[in-house]
Amino acid sequence: QSALTQPPSASGSPGQSVTISCTGTSSDVGGYNYVSWYQQHPGKAPKLMIYEVSKRPSGVPDRFSGSKSGNTASLTVSGLQAEDEADYYCSSYAGSNNVFGTGTKVTVL
Amino acid sequence: QVQLVESGGGVVQPGRSLRLSCAASGFTISTHGMHWVRQAPGKGLEWVADIWSDGNKKEYAESVKGRFTISRDISKNTLYLQMNSLRAEDTAVYYCARDIAMFALDYRGQGTLVTVSS
Repeated sequence: QSALTQPPSASGSPGQSVTISCTGTSSDVGGYNYVSWYQQHPGKAPKLMIYEVSKRPSGVPDRFSGSKSGNTASLTVSGLQAEDEADYYCSSYAGSNNVFGTGTKVTVL
Repeated sequence: QVQLVESGGGVVQPGRSLRLSCAASGFTISTHGMHWVRQAPGKGLEWVADIWSDGNKKEYAESVKGRFTISRDISKNTLYLQMNSLRAEDTAVYYCARDIAMFALDYRGQGTLVTVSS
């Protein structure tokens, strides 16, 4: 199972929005509504931000939103804040072989 | 309060074995699917293995199939990962996580570092 494709980097100024794409295939992203997104700060464990394409766990700000179209999922962070600077990974259920994305480093300018 | 405490990492020679443990508290592991995920130094996340909540289904990444075994002890509320025939490319921080939905992983620990080196 190949990793899902994400852009290596994305950036935005405080208050702006940034959108990260996550491209897979019909065997993973396109085949199931089980796409999740994780935020990871350096030296820390990942934190679940979005699951089942667009649901937010308790405690995650509504500035974070997710969507999907075909084989591509997206994470949008609105109203960027300094603490949003981190690595972001998508993931998808893929039958018996779950898969993560390649990761995107988000920089707040 | 939900907690996951990984342990058992260390430095091991290629070809040797290691068993990782993940002690859970604040919830019962038999009510959640449990996963192992690893991250090589400076690299991205890689799913390693999972065990479904009923304990009957176990799944593995192709990269570890036949070498790693996931298991659990409900009486100890602990998840395990038995790693055999270790290779240099298995060097990583290993995290355990519970799922709150299909492959939606809730990480509550800091991971344990496994270094495979001669």
